[in-house]
Formats: sequence, structure tokens, C-alpha cells
Amino acid sequence: EAQVTQNPRYLITVTGKKLTVTCSQNMNHEYMSWYRQDPGLGLRQIYYSMNVEATDKGDVPEGYKVSRKEKRNFPLILESPSPNQTSLYFCASSSNGRRGGYGYTFGSGTRLTVV
Amino acid sequence: AQSVTQPDIHITVSEGASLELRCNYSYGATPYLFWYVQSPGQGLQLLLKYFSGDTLVQGIKGFEAEFKRSQSSFNLRKPSVHWSDAAEYFCAVGPPLTGGGNKLTFGTGTQLKVEL
Repeated sequence: EAQVTQNPRYLITVTGKKLTVTCSQNMNHEYMSWYRQDPGLGLRQIYYSMNVEATDKGDVPEGYKVSRKEKRNFPLILESPSPNQTSLYFCASSSNGRRGGYGYTFGSGTRLTVV
Repeated sequence: AQSVTQPDIHITVSEGASLELRCNYSYGATPYLFWYVQSPGQGLQLLLKYFSGDTLVQGIKGFEAEFKRSQSSFNLRKPSVHWSDAAEYFCAVGPPLTGGGNKLTFGTGTQLKVEL
């Protein structure tokens, strides 16, 4: 089944403790992206990657890091989490191809709470 | 910069009634347009998309949307709502297929409640 898999689904952590949220896709998509969802703000892009070793900042990158060493994986790293990073996080992927468009496939989300 | 406005934060409709969710966008060219649905505790599922051709597009679950260039709108409609349609709906825009990457910009969402 074509899918984007995020782990963990739920995470409670303390301020300053480094954490990684994993994201993996099995569709051979070039493009991957991380979004955070907050009430009243919709989804905002954190980072994206056009392909392996090609990452760039989105609209709200502060406090986050990413890497893209393999095509299928795009982990999100919070080196020193703070309470304002409490949010619902989504990973998404799409092809870069123009034929047929580039609708995103989303993961199921990671609910992160930083206390 | 591109932006998306969903003016209705909450909408309540009775089961069986028709539905229209509004979406207005700001973009330099005709963008690629999407509607996604998010059920409670779930990720986002693509309902439909538009990038060219017929301005009325059909999607899954009986939804349709109409692109109106003159109004910069892409409203979502359904003739008869089912209780299972209760969810949050997001409109999104992205660069045209001629280039500009893949970034989607999302609206703030409309929460749909269905009364039985």
C-alpha cells in the first residue's frame, strides 16, 4: 500500500530534550515536506526537500532541522524543543513530475507536547 | 506571496442539506488548487484538485469544486451532506504545473458539523 509513515504518533517530552520524528514513504517520491498544524493557523510548512541532499526552509523553520540522506526518509529533528513547538506535525510527499500533477500524500500525524 | 482564505471557520448543516465551503486565493498566475479533508485524529486526504481544463472538477465522496478565475475562488460543494462528512476541510494552492516547485499553501480550514 502506498503510504507515508510517521513515528511516533504521540510524544510527550520535556523542554530541551532532543527528539526526532521519523517519516518514510514507499512511493519513490522526490519531494517531501514537513508541516505543523495549529488551531486557527492551518498548516504551515517547516522544511521541504526536492530530492536527496536537497533541503530548504519553509515558512516556520526556526527550532527545527531536517536531513535527506535517502530518498524514502525525511526525519524532523528538534534539537532543543520548547513549549511553543507543541503542535500536530505532518509529513507529506509527492512526485516532482508535472504529468498528473503533484498532489500530496500525508502521513497520519505526530502529536507532540513539550512540557 | 501566495495566500489562501477560508472565511468560514465553522459551518453547521443538517444531514441531507447542500453544502458550499468557500475558498479564495491570491496568486500571481493560475495556481494548482486542492481541497483536502481531515477527519478527527487522521491525516489529510485529497478530495479533488484542479490545474487546467474544465473549471468544474469532481472528487471523491460526491464532492465537486468550481474554479472561478474572475473571483479567485475555488469553492467546494456537495448536493446532500451525510453525517460522515463531519470533518475539517482545507483549501490549498500550489505553483502552476509549468514550474515553481511543489509547495502547497493551506488555508486555515473550515470545521463542518452535521446535524442529524
